[in-house]
Amino acid sequence: AQSVTQLGSHVSVSEGALVLLRCNYSSSVPPYLFWYVQYPNQGLQLLLKYTSAATLVKGINGFEAEFKKSETSFHLTKPSAHMSDAAEYFCAVSAYNQGGKLIFGQGTELSVKP
Amino acid sequence: DTAVSQTPKYLVTQMGNDKSIKCEQNLGHDTMYWYKQDSKKFLKIMFSYNNKELIINETVPNRFSPKSPDKAHLNLHINSLELGDSAVYFCASSPNRVPNEKLFFGSGTQLSVL
Repeated sequence: AQSVTQLGSHVSVSEGALVLLRCNYSSSVPPYLFWYVQYPNQGLQLLLKYTSAATLVKGINGFEAEFKKSETSFHLTKPSAHMSDAAEYFCAVSAYNQGGKLIFGQGTELSVKP
Repeated sequence: DTAVSQTPKYLVTQMGNDKSIKCEQNLGHDTMYWYKQDSKKFLKIMFSYNNKELIINETVPNRFSPKSPDKAHLNLHINSLELGDSAVYFCASSPNRVPNEKLFFGSGTQLSVL
């Protein structure tokens, strides 16, 4: 079975500062890992995904994430936060034996201070 | 043209009533999903259909009945609504059941049961 843990339900950074959102996963088979973003009153949009190619994955809006198997982590980073990055971020995992089911973490709310 | 559209966006109703939420995707995808997001923003899969066939049913109470008249539509009917059903319900679609595929989400239906 797969699971995802996001450390920190709320992260606050200043505009221009580094964004780091943490995600650890558990999977008995090779995982596929995703980061989705949810802006207020909207559905989720894919930021990036890891599908066993390069371990450093670049996504939209300047975000990237690194798959570290030894640490079972898939942390999301962005060098410089913008006000428009304020949103809820979800890490998620799936695997070939899950029939397409995506399992989400609890979410991390990112606030960006001017 | 909205890729995944849900109606209604807001639904306020009394306990015990029966209500439906409709979902349509114009992406030509084979697989559709219903996810429930609770008040703590936690997202959990409820159902998944692939080409009108139910493939995932996550121990959801049988008061919830999904129906897929064709592969572009997945509706959710809820009988005898309870207070605990209050949540945001998201429809999503993906090209197929392959686990590394991106999900496309609708903008959600906020259900409030009074």
